[in-house]
Amino acid sequence: DVVMTQSPLSLPVTLGQPASISCRSSQSLVYSDGNTYLNWFQQRPGQSPRRLIYKVSNRDSGVPDRFSGSGSGTDFTLKISRVEAEDVGVYYCMQGTHWSWTFGQGTKVEIK
Amino acid sequence: QVQLQESGPGLVKPSQTLSLTCTVSGGSISSGSYYWSWIRQPAGKGLEWIGRIYTSGSTNYNPSLKSRVTISVDTSKNQFSLKLSSVTAADTAVYYCARGGVLWGQGTLVTVSS
Repeated sequence: DVVMTQSPLSLPVTLGQPASISCRSSQSLVYSDGNTYLNWFQQRPGQSPRRLIYKVSNRDSGVPDRFSGSGSGTDFTLKISRVEAEDVGVYYCMQGTHWSWTFGQGTKVEIK
Repeated sequence: QVQLQESGPGLVKPSQTLSLTCTVSGGSISSGSYYWSWIRQPAGKGLEWIGRIYTSGSTNYNPSLKSRVTISVDTSKNQFSLKLSSVTAADTAVYYCARGGVLWGQGTLVTVSS
């Protein structure tokens, strides 16, 4: 399996300040079709996961533009430009290039 | 608007088979080209992809669970199902069904206990 390693695992942030989460994969996530299937999910307390970003940097419909994704190969980053109270939760990176698809351990974002 | 809903027993005895169904509403399970998946999450822990079934019926299973997992689809009922055999306490988790990675059910807690 491809191992996805996130850091940090806990991220206290002040409201209105930026936040950044790193995700590294144990092997390249570039698929044979040239796409990189790296997704980011948000899981608010008590809710199902919600996909925010697909293929590294594409925001899903309805996702605020303060969320952005970047990276390539094996190193990826999710950034929140200005954290809001509704952003509290656990964020997971997930690779969809190699079966079986795998998630990172999760990064818990909380307000200081 | 397409929605997914998991259903099944909330309590399963050790060594028995866990059986869950995901009912798709607001659209046909046969339309489009989607992977229909099962994912689970033990309490307080991360997410694990169990397996997926394509609209063609082809399946892929997590190698760590492959010997115990069966995912099937019933187009007449607009449902797809999960069977996990020989369960232990380690299989206690919230089980989610999903379409691709975008659409998720609300999840259902399954506890394995005698």
